[in-house]
Amino acid sequence: QSVLTQPPSVSAAPGQKVTISCSGSSSNIGNSFVSWYQQLPGTAPKLLMYENNKRPSGMPDRFSGSKSGTSATLGITGLQTGDEADYFCGTWDTSLSGYVFGTGTKVTVI
Amino acid sequence: EVQLLESGGGLVQPGGSLRVSCTASGFTFSNYAMTWVRQAPGKGLEWVSAISSSGGSTYYADSVKGRFTISRDNSKNTLFLQMNSLRAEDTAVYYCAKKEDGSGSYGYLVYWGQGTLVTVSS
Repeated sequence: QSVLTQPPSVSAAPGQKVTISCSGSSSNIGNSFVSWYQQLPGTAPKLLMYENNKRPSGMPDRFSGSKSGTSATLGITGLQTGDEADYFCGTWDTSLSGYVFGTGTKVTVI
Repeated sequence: EVQLLESGGGLVQPGGSLRVSCTASGFTFSNYAMTWVRQAPGKGLEWVSAISSSGGSTYYADSVKGRFTISRDNSKNTLFLQMNSLRAEDTAVYYCAKKEDGSGSYGYLVYWGQGTLVTVSS
């Protein structure tokens, strides 16, 4: 089972904002940068955010990231139907000497 | 354009072996660490293994340690995952992913392939 905990789902109306939390510990989030991955239905995951709050080229600034202590947060503003996807946080775990992913959060635009 | 193309998936019986491959193009393969991540049907992502750019350092999830072996052929721009003693719980889509640097640890996964399905069943 994953060592990073995310809410199973979040939802909001178009144009609204959602936030997704990722909770870990001192051996992972507390000690390493966090990245976020977006997985649209039926497709491979894609890098959405890296080093806590940096967006890859081409990723809209509606997406934001932050980290505090052993938790990280992904924010999506101006929600669009195209944002409906599963979102996963990820980071290195020094105790496990391996990469760990969050449990995943399904974003629904209602 | 970076491309990662996985191959070699298929149906295998419990206890059997399978080798999946990932052919890379669009970047200098020998400069970057690579990773395997799997996703069981309807489930989340699970990191499986990573290898440094030179192949000198490898890392494994506890769930596959001693059964899976990651390797790479930099002359052929290809990443491999040899899977032995396969179990039903290894059934998943296996993705290869490129890291942002040559270290197999830390960091993030910049590009992902489309995945290859491995099914372990009798």
